[in-house]
Amino acid sequence: ELKVEQNPLFLSMQEGKNYTIYCNYSTTSDRLYWYRQDPGKSLESLFVLLSNGAVKQEGRLMASLDTKARLSTLHITAAVHDLSATYFCAVDVTYSGGGADGLTFGKGTHLIIQP
Amino acid sequence: NAGVMQNPRHLVRRRGQEARLRCSPMKGHSHVYWYRQLPEEGLKFMVYLQKENIIDESGMPKERFSAEFPKEGPSILRIQQVVRGDSAAYFCASSATGNNSPLHFGNGTRLTVT
Repeated sequence: ELKVEQNPLFLSMQEGKNYTIYCNYSTTSDRLYWYRQDPGKSLESLFVLLSNGAVKQEGRLMASLDTKARLSTLHITAAVHDLSATYFCAVDVTYSGGGADGLTFGKGTHLIIQP
Repeated sequence: NAGVMQNPRHLVRRRGQEARLRCSPMKGHSHVYWYRQLPEEGLKFMVYLQKENIIDESGMPKERFSAEFPKEGPSILRIQQVVRGDSAAYFCASSATGNNSPLHFGNGTRLTVT
């Protein structure tokens, strides 16, 4: 069974600081997604990482994928209050040959950025 | 181009009643996924459908839950004889094709069983 683990699960940080969220997964997959969810809202797609070594950046967020280590990171640079949300990584089981056709999500990282 | 539309946004049912959740995928999308999210948890895959076909229901509870995606109309997730443990947010997502297409999520239906 595919396991996707995020850490930390909860993060409180100050504006202007940098931090990294980690996402480990337990089986081979070359496709990983990062989503953002605001309270009571749906999921917003942030990044799709499709190959080993993939790096994508959007504003203050940068995501990378190391398929050999089965690790993805989401780096936040000079955090601002508007980035407060819950961030999920999700791994595509289909692509890993796991047999199921759906994403397996981590539990999410609740990020609070204080002014 | 409207996104994935789910309704109702909030649904309250008493134990033993039936809950019907509807999802209209994005225009041009023929693949629909249903996920369940418990408080403080990530999303759990339930079922993957294409028009008139269930492709994978490995995440669906064996009893009381069913899903369909008819040729015409929205996808329906049906929960019979609801229990308190069914209270959750249910998200629908759609994609254009099954592979290499990102999932677009709806706003979810928040089911509360009293």
